[in-house]
This record gives sequence, C-alpha cells and structure tokens, in this order.
Amino acid sequence: GQQLNQSPQSMFIQEGEDVSMNCTSSSIFNTWLWYKQEPGEGPVLLIALYKAGELTSNGRLTAQFGITRKDSFLNISASIPSDVGIYFCAGRFNNNDMRFGAGTRLTVKP
Amino acid sequence: NAGVTQTPKFRVLKTGQSMTLLCAQDMNHEYMYWYRQDPGMGLRLIHYSVGEGTTAKGEVPDGYNVSRLKKQNFLLGLESAAPSQTSVYFCASSSGTPNEQFFGPGTRLTVL
Repeated sequence: GQQLNQSPQSMFIQEGEDVSMNCTSSSIFNTWLWYKQEPGEGPVLLIALYKAGELTSNGRLTAQFGITRKDSFLNISASIPSDVGIYFCAGRFNNNDMRFGAGTRLTVKP
Repeated sequence: NAGVTQTPKFRVLKTGQSMTLLCAQDMNHEYMYWYRQDPGMGLRLIHYSVGEGTTAKGEVPDGYNVSRLKKQNFLLGLESAAPSQTSVYFCASSSGTPNEQFFGPGTRLTVL
C-alpha cells in the first residue's frame, strides 16, 4: 500500500525551542492533515491543508502542503511542555481513503 | 454531547473467539471509520461507511467485518480472532469529506 514516511521518529527538545517535522510520500494526495495524539486518547486534528502550496497556521503551529502534493511539513514555534505527544501526518485521496505516517514522538523538557 | 464513544475500552480474547466492537457518535455524522494502530505505525483504515446501510473496505480489511444498521452506530466484528489482530482500535466519524474526522478514545484488544 501507499506509504507515508514521517520524520523524525522522535524529538527531545528544550522548552522554547522550535520544532519541525515532515512527511513525504510517493503518492499524490488531495488533502494533508496533521493530528496530535496524547496517551490513552484518539488523535485530534491540528491543521488541514487542501491545496498544493497552501500554508496554514493554528496558533504556534504552521503547516504547508507541498507543491508536488507528495509532502507536507509541520512547524511548532516556541514549544511548551503541553506540546508533548505524538504527531501524525495523514494524506487523503479523493475518496475517503486515508494514509497515516508512523508518527513523531515529541518530548519537551522544561 | 459525548462525541465519539467506543465500547469496550479493553478486551482480552483467545485465538478463535469472536467479538464485536461498538462505536457510537451523537453528532449526526454521515461518515464513520474503523482504524487500527500498531506500535511504530500510523493508523491504518480497516473499513469505513459513507452512510447508514453502506460499508466499504479500507487498507487492511481482511479478518474484519462491519455493519452500519443505524446512522449513529458502526460495529466492527472479528469472527475468529488471531494474535495478529492485537492492536488498539480507533473509531472516527465526520460530516463528510473533506471535513475533520473526530476520533474515539480507542479500544485496546489483546488476542492470546
């Protein structure tokens, strides 16, 4: 099946630092989504991107839909302890089929 | 407004046993989905439904069956559980593509 390559797998950063993670694929997606998952809970949508080249912000989070439609990145600025969690990218085809990356586990040290 | 709920939260099965996972949503969403999440991997779509009475296969449908008899419920069945089906199962719903999917809290299933 189509694979999403998400990197890095994990990050250990100091509070206040900026974070960047990305996803690449050999497939073209119509939508890119970024989710955050905390222990014992389901993923929660952070940002959705619908057009190639689109750059969208949600507070300290910024994500972009790559021009080739095969990649996306998520940046978190000025990280805080509550940013801890696993971040997943997901690509959606023109039907309801979605593919998820393996996740980036973020640890923020106060 | 409970959102998306899943029952049970945890379950241990023996190989060959059957069980049904229940997902319920109170948001009047048309679309519902079942995913599994395994360590080191992203969520993988098992089956989904675009409306009451309809179902469709996702990325990893083998060994599972689903039913959507009522709009608010989406059932995932395992007829003969296998250890490879040990996983955390998430249900999600949405009002329709490309809208946001809302996820339930998950069901942790262990098959011995």
